[in-house]
Amino acid sequence: EIVLTQSPGTLSLSPGERATLSCRASQSLSYNYLAWYQQKPGQAPRLLIYGASSRATGIPDRFSGSGSGTDFTLTISRLEPEDFAVYYCQHHGSSPMYTFGQGTRLEIK
Amino acid sequence: QVQLVQSGVEMKKPGASVKVSCKASGYTFSLHGINWVRQAPGQGLEWMGWISGYNGNTKYAQKFQDRVSMTTDTSTNTVYMELRSLRSDDTAIYFCAREGNNHGWKYFDYWGQGTPVTVSS
Repeated sequence: EIVLTQSPGTLSLSPGERATLSCRASQSLSYNYLAWYQQKPGQAPRLLIYGASSRATGIPDRFSGSGSGTDFTLTISRLEPEDFAVYYCQHHGSSPMYTFGQGTRLEIK
Repeated sequence: QVQLVQSGVEMKKPGASVKVSCKASGYTFSLHGINWVRQAPGQGLEWMGWISGYNGNTKYAQKFQDRVSMTTDTSTNTVYMELRSLRSDDTAIYFCAREGNNHGWKYFDYWGQGTPVTVSS
């Protein structure tokens, strides 16, 4: 079973700064089967990125995903106040099977 | 527009069962699977399983294999998730989420609002 490890656990930044969130897989991911979600308190998660780098419908272009193999990154180019939330990476395997990372909390500095 | 509307708050005693519903609308039900994800208080997301909207085939996470059942009612486009032998650590918010698919990449593109389930004696 693939394990996803996200870092850092908490990231403290100010609006306007650049955020870089990491997701590392315990094994190389086939076909970059990696998605990113944003979750705000009291809300369901929202899909941001799929296929490691494709933005979901309606997601602002300040959000970008990159990476391959075992190392993936979510970058938020210039933080807006509404971007402070918890972010999760997710892998899907065959059969189907899904795994989430433990999350990174992005908080206002 | 795509909507997933879940049933309401549940409070159960240890050992009981809970059945949560997820009513889908705004898309062709048979073309997408539905997943269930739970989130314990202050914790991360945990995938529980998947059910096909096409034929009702299921795949459960190994952790829940013996206690969970997922079913569909195609006459109402509703998916059900039943969790049996509840324990206090099953206290969580339970989400349903539609499986999207683009060139083989799969993801959860629409989510229900979540159903809080509390297990307490």
